[in-house]
Parts: sequence; C-alpha cells; structure tokens
Amino acid sequence: EAQVTQNPRYLITVTGKKLTVTCSQNMNHEYMSWYRQDPGLGLRQIYYSMNVEVTDKGDVPEGYKVSRKEKRNFPLILESPSPNQTSLYFCASSLPGHREAFFGQGTRLTVV
Amino acid sequence: GENVEQHPSTLSVQEGDSAVIKCTYSDSASNYFPWYKQELGKGPQLIIDIRSNVGEKKDQRIAVTLNKTAKHFSLHITETQPEDSAVYFCAASAGGTSYGKLTFGQGTILTVHP
Repeated sequence: EAQVTQNPRYLITVTGKKLTVTCSQNMNHEYMSWYRQDPGLGLRQIYYSMNVEVTDKGDVPEGYKVSRKEKRNFPLILESPSPNQTSLYFCASSLPGHREAFFGQGTRLTVV
Repeated sequence: GENVEQHPSTLSVQEGDSAVIKCTYSDSASNYFPWYKQELGKGPQLIIDIRSNVGEKKDQRIAVTLNKTAKHFSLHITETQPEDSAVYFCAASAGGTSYGKLTFGQGTILTVHP
C-alpha cells in the first residue's frame, strides 16, 4: 500500500529536549515536505527536499532541521524545542512538479 | 512569496444543500490549484485540482472554478452529505524555483447537518 508513515503520532516533551519525528514514504517520490498545522493558519511549510541531499527552507523554518540521506526518509529534528512549537505536524511526498501530495497521518507535538 | 486567503473559516449546511468555499491568491505565476480534504485525525487528501489552462473542472458532486484574471478559485460541493463534513484546504503552486511547493489557505471547517 502506498503511504507516508510518520512516527510518533503523539509526543509530549519538555522545553529544550532534542527530538526527532521520522517520516518515510514507499512511493519513490523525489519531493518531500514538512508542514505544521495551527488553528486559523492552515498548513505552513517548514522545510522541503527536492531529492537526496537537497533541502531548503520553507516559510517557517526557525527552530527546525531536516536531513535527506535516503530517498524514502525525511526526518524533522527539533534541537531545542520550545512551547511555540506545539503543533500538529505533517510530512508529505510527491513526484516533481504539480502532482498530488500524499500526507502522513500527522504527529501531534506538545512542548511543555 | 505566494499568499492564499480562504473563506469562510466555518460553513454549516443542511444535507442536500450546496457548499461553496472561495480562495484568492497573490502570485500571478501560480498555475496549479489543488483542494484537499482533511477528516478528523487524518492527513489531508487531494479531492480535486485545476491547472491554469482550464476554467472549470468537475468530478461527480465536486467542481472547481478558476478565474485567473481575478486570481480566485472556488470549490463547489453539490448535494452535500454528512460524510462531506471535514476541513477543506485550498492551495496554490507556481513553477520556476517554487516548482512543487504548495501554499495553503487557512482552511474551512464544513459541517453538514443530517
């Protein structure tokens, strides 16, 4: 089954404790993105990757890091989480260009 | 960069009525406009999209219209059913260095009452 898998689905952590949210896709897609979803703000892109070892900032990259060492994986790293990073996070993948983006199930992160 | 505005933020209709959600965009280079539906506890899923060389596209009860001159596009759902209740997002994408990047609207919570 074609899918994007995120882990964990839910995470509560404390301020400053480094964490990683994993994202894996099995569709051989070149393009992968991370979004955060906040009420009234829609989905905002954090980082994206157009292929292995090619990543770039989206609209709200501050406080986040990513890496793309393998085509299927695109982890999101929060080196020192803060309460304003409490949000619902989605990973998405697609083929290059204007193609359907496939989203993961989401990771609800709470930073206390 | 691109800015997408979506209205209304909430929409409540009776089963069988029509629902319309509207979006405007700012970047005249945008040429791809998808709509996503997000059900509770799930990630968004593409329901319909339209490209800039087309003014209207239909898929059963769902249609999207695009007015490039006015920079707005709309989602129309006819004969709404309770299972249409969800959050709907519009998005816009341009070519060039932004190729593949989606800019989303703020979302519309649609509630269909039986």
